[in-house]
Amino acid sequence: SAVISQKPSRDICQRGTSLTIQCQVDSQVTMMFWYRQQPGQSLTLIATANQGSEATYESGFVIDKFPISRPNLTFSTLTVSNMSPEDSSIYLCSVGAADNQPQHFGDGTRLSIL
Amino acid sequence: GQQVMQIPQYQHVQEGEDFTTYCNSSTTLSNIQWYKQRPGGHPVFLIQLVKSGEVKKQKRLTFQFGEAKKNSSLHITATQTTDVGTYFCAGPFYGQNFVFGPGTRLSVLP
Repeated sequence: SAVISQKPSRDICQRGTSLTIQCQVDSQVTMMFWYRQQPGQSLTLIATANQGSEATYESGFVIDKFPISRPNLTFSTLTVSNMSPEDSSIYLCSVGAADNQPQHFGDGTRLSIL
Repeated sequence: GQQVMQIPQYQHVQEGEDFTTYCNSSTTLSNIQWYKQRPGGHPVFLIQLVKSGEVKKQKRLTFQFGEAKKNSSLHITATQTTDVGTYFCAGPFYGQNFVFGPGTRLSVLP
């Protein structure tokens, strides 16, 4: 399966700042997704990153807060904007062949906001 | 909205005992997938079930998809300490994206 590199692996940020998380895949993939996982909780899909067009956001997530880029079939970024302590979480990217097919996850970014 | 539920939330077993987690969906699933997440790790895909009534085995793990394609189970025979982690089922609802269940956290006492 694809090798997925996500960085940074962790960060501690100040309230009100923004952080961009990168997800690099070693092969071209059709689908890339971004998830949030709060401590001890399940995964919640933030959005599907679409190559060459705007991301598709799930209910409760908006582009102004979580802008996403996907310039090609191997790379995507997620920005967490104007961070508050409630944004402290693990952010994970995943890839898949289609939106109902198995996904493979990166190692995640552990984000803490002070 | 669509929901995926899992029981139990937590399970503590003695090494060698069996373990089962159950996944129930509020609506029919096109397929169901199971993932394992070790403590501090990321979710790892285990298996996908597509057909009604399907049963698949991976060594000590047995996965089953219900006849109505609304529920599934994962059974581990003779647990080992390496089985520790959280097991998630995930359902791609027809025409929509993935919903992960809340997970079952398994701890295995040596």
